[in-house]
Amino acid sequence: AQRVTQPEKLLSVFKGAPVELKCNYSYSGSPELFWYVQYSRQRLQLLLRHISRESIKGFTADLNKGETSFHLKKPFAQEEDSAMYYCAVNTGFQKLVFGTGTRLLVSP
Amino acid sequence: DAMVIQNPRYQVTQFGKPVTLSCSQTLNHNVMYWYQQKSSQAPKLLFHYYDKDFNNEADTPDNFQSRRPNTSFCFLDIRSPGLGDAAMYLCATSRGLGDSYNEQFFGPGTRLTVL
Repeated sequence: AQRVTQPEKLLSVFKGAPVELKCNYSYSGSPELFWYVQYSRQRLQLLLRHISRESIKGFTADLNKGETSFHLKKPFAQEEDSAMYYCAVNTGFQKLVFGTGTRLLVSP
Repeated sequence: DAMVIQNPRYQVTQFGKPVTLSCSQTLNHNVMYWYQQKSSQAPKLLFHYYDKDFNNEADTPDNFQSRRPNTSFCFLDIRSPGLGDAAMYLCATSRGLGDSYNEQFFGPGTRLTVL
């Protein structure tokens, strides 16, 4: 069965510190991975997808098929990055399986 | 702004009393999804519509039904809510064209409380 694991429920860092939110997946096909973000009092929204290989708000994520991982990284965290982050895999037919999420708290 | 709207934002119902949650969209997207998210858990897909084609997830309880009378609206009906159905219900849409993934756009959610 398809599964996404985010091992950390909470990640707390200081402003300017590097951030890495971990995501591991199990999927039998060719995976499409995403990171969705939910800021306080806002709706869930797409942050980035592996296929576009872009940096959004300073965040990047590299798909590592050997390790079945898709960790989200940012070299210097900002306070406005505080949010709930969900990793997700497209299981086909536009359906997503989400991880349980990691709350990132960036302190001044 | 084009968006996904969910009403009501908070819904309280009694054990066993049918309840309907509403979702509307101004994006003219083909696909509409319903997710259930319980506290500290991942959003879990219940079903989705591709245009008028209904697709139920295998583990979605029979207690949950959905209707999509037109492109803009989609409803989630819970026939006999149990205490375990208390959750945040998220509606999402996507264009759904072609084989490549289309970004999903989420509504703000409806928090359901069952007394």
